[in-house]
Amino acid sequence: NAGVTQTPKFRILKIGQSMTLQCTQDMNHNYMYWYRQDPGMGLKLIYYSVGAGITDKGEVPNGYNVSRSTTEDFPLRLELAAPSQTSVYFCASSSLAGGSNEQFFGPGTRLTVL
Amino acid sequence: GESVGLHLPTLSVQEGDNSIINCAYSNSASDYFIWYKQESGKGPQFIIDIRSNMDKRQGQRVTVLLNKTVKHLSLQIAATQPGDSAVYFCAENMRGSQGNLIFGKGTKLSVKP
Repeated sequence: NAGVTQTPKFRILKIGQSMTLQCTQDMNHNYMYWYRQDPGMGLKLIYYSVGAGITDKGEVPNGYNVSRSTTEDFPLRLELAAPSQTSVYFCASSSLAGGSNEQFFGPGTRLTVL
Repeated sequence: GESVGLHLPTLSVQEGDNSIINCAYSNSASDYFIWYKQESGKGPQFIIDIRSNMDKRQGQRVTVLLNKTVKHLSLQIAATQPGDSAVYFCAENMRGSQGNLIFGKGTKLSVKP
């Protein structure tokens, strides 16, 4: 299994541009999450999904959108990039099987908005 | 504000010594706690977890202790090695939150050879 994969690894955007961060998992997990991590900080939840077709807002959803058309994919969309969205973005997935909420993380996408 | 935080932002230990990383949480409704390790440039990696009906759980070289009375969580690493150098995050899961984790800011562990 590849686990959780994210693309791209790095991206530089100009203010006002849009982009989609891709996330795919091959573990058949129902739960998927998007986090952002600012320098020297912990992870903040942007959006999450409990299954295909179901998404919900996390702690910091403004400026982002998500969709979950399949179990495997959970793309994150930035419509009008702003400097405040400069961060490292992590996608994660979990199954919540056996009462464990071990979330498996991808390698991250480092985004800079200039 | 954040309900999960760490007492020490940085910790420096000698190789071979034991490390203790502390974490405070404020939400008494949290029923599951987890420790992650994050190496530079990588995503967080699961270390160990514990449910609120337990006080202690041991893994390979790691032990997590949970004190619900004072809402405190700690991660103990035995015989710390240079490969343990990383940022360590604790996270909590509130009961009924559909698996959402709340992460603390992290503690950077540096191991001196």
